[in-house]
Amino acid sequence: GAGVSQSPSNKVTEKGKDVELRCDPISGHTALYWYRQSLGQGLEFLIYFQGNSAPDKSGLPSDRFSAERTGGSVSTLTIQRTQQEDSAVYLCASTLSTEHYGYTFGSGTRLTVV
Amino acid sequence: GNSVTQMEGPVTLSEEAFLTINCTYTATGYPSLFWYVQYPGEGLQLLLKATKADDKGSNKGFEATYRKETTSFHLEKGSVQVSDSAVYFCALILSGGYQKVTFGIGTKLQVIP
Repeated sequence: GAGVSQSPSNKVTEKGKDVELRCDPISGHTALYWYRQSLGQGLEFLIYFQGNSAPDKSGLPSDRFSAERTGGSVSTLTIQRTQQEDSAVYLCASTLSTEHYGYTFGSGTRLTVV
Repeated sequence: GNSVTQMEGPVTLSEEAFLTINCTYTATGYPSLFWYVQYPGEGLQLLLKATKADDKGSNKGFEATYRKETTSFHLEKGSVQVSDSAVYFCALILSGGYQKVTFGIGTKLQVIP
């Protein structure tokens, strides 16, 4: 596609429920990143994919968080047993080369846990 | 480790005022530097970049010069418009292989007519 697409754009869920967030990167971009943006906290790195593998998962905050990528394209971030502190905007980005092009970001998914 | 420090804001300016948003960095190697902009309700967009010392990145009237001696990459614009109201993020990435981008906390700019 023309840009990075994320869905849903907004998600309200009850504490304890599981949620899935989807990212559809730019066609041909092999690198995909998930970040979390919390109020006053800047951007927090979560996980990086190169193709379908995730060589860097160091930012996932707990074992309730997991992500996968299939076909070198779509990625899904899953949060199990959501907690109120998971409320944030989850941003996905893709790139050919971060050094030369930087990232292209999606518009994000705003997750609210009530 | 790598880090980016930028003024927190919010910064409030009148239209046509001069803008400076300070950004300094620490890095273990030779980073590329970026400014990203996030308009209300949208994702981050790459605004400009510089990949080596003394390079100047520019776009949409914004400029930033890579200053290795002061480890800075301050964002400037000579005359801001209401449409420039957004959150601006300074960021860096080291060269060579896989590296993730390190972002500053973001500076909210509000331009009033």
